[in-house]
Amino acid sequence: AQKITQTQPGMFVQEKEAVTLDCTYDTSDPSYGLFWYKQPSSGEMIFLIYQGSYDQQNATEGRYSLNFQKARKSANLVISASQLGDSAMYFCAMREGRSGFQKLVFGTGTRLLVSP
Amino acid sequence: GAVVSQHPSRVICKSGTSVKIECRSLDFQATTMFWYRQFPKQSLMLMATSNEGSKATYEQGVEKDKFLINHASLTLSTLTVTSAHPEDSSFYICSARTDGNTEAFFGQGTRLTVV
Repeated sequence: AQKITQTQPGMFVQEKEAVTLDCTYDTSDPSYGLFWYKQPSSGEMIFLIYQGSYDQQNATEGRYSLNFQKARKSANLVISASQLGDSAMYFCAMREGRSGFQKLVFGTGTRLLVSP
Repeated sequence: GAVVSQHPSRVICKSGTSVKIECRSLDFQATTMFWYRQFPKQSLMLMATSNEGSKATYEQGVEKDKFLINHASLTLSTLTVTSAHPEDSSFYICSARTDGNTEAFFGQGTRLTVV
């Protein structure tokens, strides 16, 4: 079973508009962390935002916010005031547990295209 | 954020040769390093996890004799693709984290082309 599901292979948004990228996850571990990364065409993975399973409030980092709905197991990324430079692949990832290697499992990604 | 440097960024090699990719944490001690592989238009697939001074833990289906991982110090891990073949052509990317940190930091990635 997929641990991280991103159902939107591609999304289009106009500059200055807000966009939501969907992510659902599956885990039975009560302790986990959710990440969003941006991957531009150059390939590097840029960390955007993190949400811990025990965090009471939704994470925010500048124009990025995470809509964390624990009961629904969703962790959607909201980008406000889109910019042309936001065009990239976006990956949702999960890390389970508090101990051990704590490896990340990635979703299949969403390609975002911001148009002028 | 912390800096992870991966080298080389691009490499082209002949079939049958070996290629070494380096991953360095520049301003922190990386107790754990991860190596991922990414095919075009696909997600990152974890290949192996390594802790400094111990043998790497490989994911199912990853040949440990083909993808040699060495994590000899707290700032350096290497991935060696041995006897490379065209099907090994891919984007390889490392990440590093230290105990107690939430985040793992990624290198810039290496695009390997085997001809």
